[in-house]
Amino acid sequence: EAGVAQSPRYKIIEKRQSVAFWCNPISGHATLYWYQQILGQGPKLLIQFQNNGVVDDSQLPKDRFSAERLKGVDSTLKIQPAKLEDSAVYLCASSFTNTGELFFGEGSRLTVL
Amino acid sequence: QQPVQSPQAVILREGEDAVINCSSSKALYSVHWYRQKHGEAPVFLMILLKGGEQKGHEKISASFNEKKQQSSLYLTASQLSYSGTYFCGTENGAGGGADGLTFGKGTHLIIQP
Repeated sequence: EAGVAQSPRYKIIEKRQSVAFWCNPISGHATLYWYQQILGQGPKLLIQFQNNGVVDDSQLPKDRFSAERLKGVDSTLKIQPAKLEDSAVYLCASSFTNTGELFFGEGSRLTVL
Repeated sequence: QQPVQSPQAVILREGEDAVINCSSSKALYSVHWYRQKHGEAPVFLMILLKGGEQKGHEKISASFNEKKQQSSLYLTASQLSYSGTYFCGTENGAGGGADGLTFGKGTHLIIQP
């Protein structure tokens, strides 16, 4: 069974530039999450989708971050404009139900200079 | 509310036991445990639901004390492969996945030969 796919794996940008990350969850998983993991810390939930609807985006900095999940499958997380403190690994995870095991992708490491 | 993990770091010899604790200031519906190796995605270990269930898999088990809002992860006869950072993720309140998981800062476990 294919795992959660994410791209790009690495991205380096200047502050105030924009960046987009893509996630393809495991087939059949209705719930998709984006987490931000700053070096040395635990993952922080940014947004949770159930199919193509948003369940929780209370910790998403909406002035610069946006996310969508088209047709309840793939998802894109965008940052515009980026700040230095956005440097982190962005992890996408999916689960069959919204109370089950999370399957994480390998993450997209963002460095903002 | 981010759960608090203790200890922050543990260094063991192969074959020794370890206990990692996770506590929350809010009522817990469930506790998830994940292990993350350096540069890799977090990997699911187990879920515990309120009711004081103790679950285990081989030499890794966990308990959940609903009244104390605490969970503990027990690693018995540790192996080199157990090295990594352990995160607890908590789901508060009524559960149902509406709030997603909030992860602690992690416990770094180093197993030496």
